[in-house]
Amino acid sequence: GAGVSQSPSNKVTEKGKDVELRCDPISGHTALYWYRQSLGQGLEFLIYFQGNSAPDKSGLPSDRFSAERTGGSVSTLTIQRTQQEDSAVYLCASSDLAGGITGELFFGEGSRLTVL
Amino acid sequence: DAKTTQPNSMESNEEEPVHLPCNHSTISGTDYIHWYRQLPSQGPEYVIHGLTSNVNNRMASLAIAEDRKSSTLILHRATLRDAAVYYCILNVNYGGSQGNLIFGKGTKLSVKP
Repeated sequence: GAGVSQSPSNKVTEKGKDVELRCDPISGHTALYWYRQSLGQGLEFLIYFQGNSAPDKSGLPSDRFSAERTGGSVSTLTIQRTQQEDSAVYLCASSDLAGGITGELFFGEGSRLTVL
Repeated sequence: DAKTTQPNSMESNEEEPVHLPCNHSTISGTDYIHWYRQLPSQGPEYVIHGLTSNVNNRMASLAIAEDRKSSTLILHRATLRDAAVYYCILNVNYGGSQGNLIFGKGTKLSVKP
């Protein structure tokens, strides 16, 4: 079946513009995660959705970052007034209920954001 | 959050076994130990996980110390395709539903032909 799909794969924007990044998780997966990875760095947790529970937003770096998940499926990560330090690969992952206990996450290929 | 410590980098020769260590001295009784790897220009992929007993799957083996304060990922015969960053992560189990996974810097494994 289809894996986690992210779009766009590449996005170049100017400083100060808003961007939206989309994630289509694997069908039926209840948990959805956003991470970002700056060049040469490890993964930085951003936000986590689990079913109908309130999301864990503890990793969002500033109030310019927000995310929503509609209908328990597709998620959009929005970055307002982008800054150059927002340049990174934004990775989405999902897991099913079993994965929710065992922790097997399925990652997408990521969206590479470049802020000029 | 329970943290893990891994060497920054390791080298291996092709077709030899590789032992990737991970220390997690503050692990709690319900934390699962997970390993992921990230090949160049790709998202991370799941490798293996365990709680107390050693685990084997088609990709690797996971050896967990009796006190659970450390673990070792074992690749039995390294191939050039195994060159990647390997992440050791503790999955905090909240009442049967996991929280987020905190990735550290991982170990960059290089495999020489």
